[in-house]
Amino acid sequence: GAVVSQHPSRVICKSGTSVKIECRSLDFQATTMFWYRQFPKQSLMLMATSNEGSKATYEQGVEKDKFLINHASLTLSTLTVTSAHPEDSSFYICSARDRGLGNQPQHFGDGTRLSIL
Amino acid sequence: AQSVTQLDSHVSVSEGTPVLLRCNYSSSYSPSLFWYVQHPNKGLQLLLKYTSAATLVKGINGFEAEFKKSETSFHLTKPSAHMSDAAEYFCVVSINYGQNFVFGPGTRLSVLP
Repeated sequence: GAVVSQHPSRVICKSGTSVKIECRSLDFQATTMFWYRQFPKQSLMLMATSNEGSKATYEQGVEKDKFLINHASLTLSTLTVTSAHPEDSSFYICSARDRGLGNQPQHFGDGTRLSIL
Repeated sequence: AQSVTQLDSHVSVSEGTPVLLRCNYSSSYSPSLFWYVQHPNKGLQLLLKYTSAATLVKGINGFEAEFKKSETSFHLTKPSAHMSDAAEYFCVVSINYGQNFVFGPGTRLSVLP
């Protein structure tokens, strides 16, 4: 089945640090990848849609200069949280869709737990 | 616009008894519907999907769901709960085959021994 790998699974760092999270589709090519944020005991909130070879589309209220997204290949998208602060602490999850199949769901990574001290 | 309602934030069942997790949706177009499961500190795993084929959909781990257009529902069921089923379950609606997902708030399933 379709596998999405997300790395790292957990990050703990000091305030002001920039953190990069990688999302890879391991056995399929993904034209589109998605980045979500999940607060404790809540549902997933879409942050942005990442399109291979073009700029990401951000949801309303998400700062594009704060959350930098790069989708340089059909199997890799990265999310960089720049100058992270404690309020950025959260669970970040990526997903991807197989470009080769028309009617397919999103396949999710295992998430990254980001803790900013 | 689409929306998803999961009527129960928490469901508790005994091991070996049936599971029913309720989901109602609102959509202006013919929707695709999905159920995902999330275990603690993990991503989401697809349980099953409805995409305008058979209305009764069978998924992994013994789960199934029935699409009822007249009731705008897509409830998730399992005949016999297992301890390993304890997790958070999300119902999801999409009108463009998974490109844009609208998530329900989630239902936490507890399974008692």
